Amino acid sequence: KAGVTQTPRYLIKTRGQQVTLSCSPISGHRSVSWYQQTPGQGLQFLFEYFSETQRNKGNFPGRFSGRQFSNSRSEMNVSTLELGDSALYLCASRVETSGTEAFFGQGTRLTVV
Amino acid sequence: AQSVTQLGSHVSVSEGALVLLRCNYSSSVPPYLFWYVQYPNQGLQLLLKYTTGATLVKGINGFEAEFKKSETSFHLTKPSAHMSDAAEYFCAVSETGRRALTFGSGTRLQVQP
Repeated sequence: KAGVTQTPRYLIKTRGQQVTLSCSPISGHRSVSWYQQTPGQGLQFLFEYFSETQRNKGNFPGRFSGRQFSNSRSEMNVSTLELGDSALYLCASRVETSGTEAFFGQGTRLTVV
Repeated sequence: AQSVTQLGSHVSVSEGALVLLRCNYSSSVPPYLFWYVQYPNQGLQLLLKYTTGATLVKGINGFEAEFKKSETSFHLTKPSAHMSDAAEYFCAVSETGRRALTFGSGTRLQVQP
């Protein structure tokens, strides 16, 4: 069974630009979550999608948004990039049962210059 | 609100020695607890999880953890460290009914030959 796939693995963007990251969950997993990992703030929850609906949102500005498609694939978008948005963005998928573990992709390393 | 504290940002052990990584959590409801490992430039891999039932949980690669409600702890142990165990370890909690993970700040494990 294929794992969680995130594309691209690496991105370099200029301040003020926008970026879209993609995540394909494990087959059969309908819940997709996004996390931001930085050296200073650690791992922080961005948002979770289930059946194309955002079900939960972390404490991030509105520049961070996401969506989920009918095939459970998800994208997250960051507009008006700031230097502080440089981070590893991790996507996780899980089966729709409370308490089940999240399976993570390898992440997208975003560098804003 | 849920929170996780990992004591010790860096732990160094000799190969063959006991590994003990500490995790304390705060949760207003019965928690689900997880340990993840992250190798450089990789995503997170689940080591083990506690949901309900037996408080001593065995995971992959010889790791185990014990849920102690009275101490609000979920420490990770391994009897004998291997060089391949060198990585960063994250403790995480999610509350019943929520799916977002709250992570600790991580502990970097170094294994000396």
